[in-house]
Amino acid sequence: AQSVTQPDIHITVSEGASLELRCNYSYGATPYLFWYVQSPGQGLQLLLKYFSGDTLVQGIKGFEAEFKRSQSSFNLRKPSVHWSDAAEYFCAVDLNSGGYQKVTFGTGTKLQVIP
Amino acid sequence: NAGVTQTPKFQVLKTGQSMTLQCAQDMNHNSMYWYRQDPGMGLRLIYYSASEGTTDKGEVPNGYNVSRLNKREFSLRLESAAPSQTSVYFCASSRTGGETQYFGPGTRLLVL
Repeated sequence: AQSVTQPDIHITVSEGASLELRCNYSYGATPYLFWYVQSPGQGLQLLLKYFSGDTLVQGIKGFEAEFKRSQSSFNLRKPSVHWSDAAEYFCAVDLNSGGYQKVTFGTGTKLQVIP
Repeated sequence: NAGVTQTPKFQVLKTGQSMTLQCAQDMNHNSMYWYRQDPGMGLRLIYYSASEGTTDKGEVPNGYNVSRLNKREFSLRLESAAPSQTSVYFCASSRTGGETQYFGPGTRLLVL
């Protein structure tokens, strides 16, 4: 069965510092990969996605993620964090093979931004 | 466009009561999903509907039923609520499977 691991439950960074959130998946083939953000009391919003092609993908709000096949990873990065980035971030994997659709979400990483 | 809407926003039930959570999307999407979100568990798929007229079980379907009423609407029913079903429920939709999912604002359910 596919699985998604976000090893960091909680991360604290200073405003203006760089950020990297880790995501690893377990699946034989390359799935579709997503990062979503959830602000408190809100639904999830897509930050970026990878289907194929260039392994470095750009998203909204200045985020980017790099797909590394050899490491089965899809880490999210931002060069300079803003206080408004404080939220919970979810990595997700979608097999979408043979017409069977199932998305698996990681358990999330909560980001705290300190002044 | 309203996107994905969910009703109600909050609900308190007693054990054994039933209720239906409503979800509608106005993006002409084919696929719709119901998730529950619990602390430390991320989002877990309850049921999904790949297209109008079809529904399939996800990871945690026990205690729930769904209806894809038409292309726009996908409802989730709890026939006999249990405290273990206290959670935040999210509905989502996508054009097809494997594409970006758009989420509703969620329904917070407390079962006493």
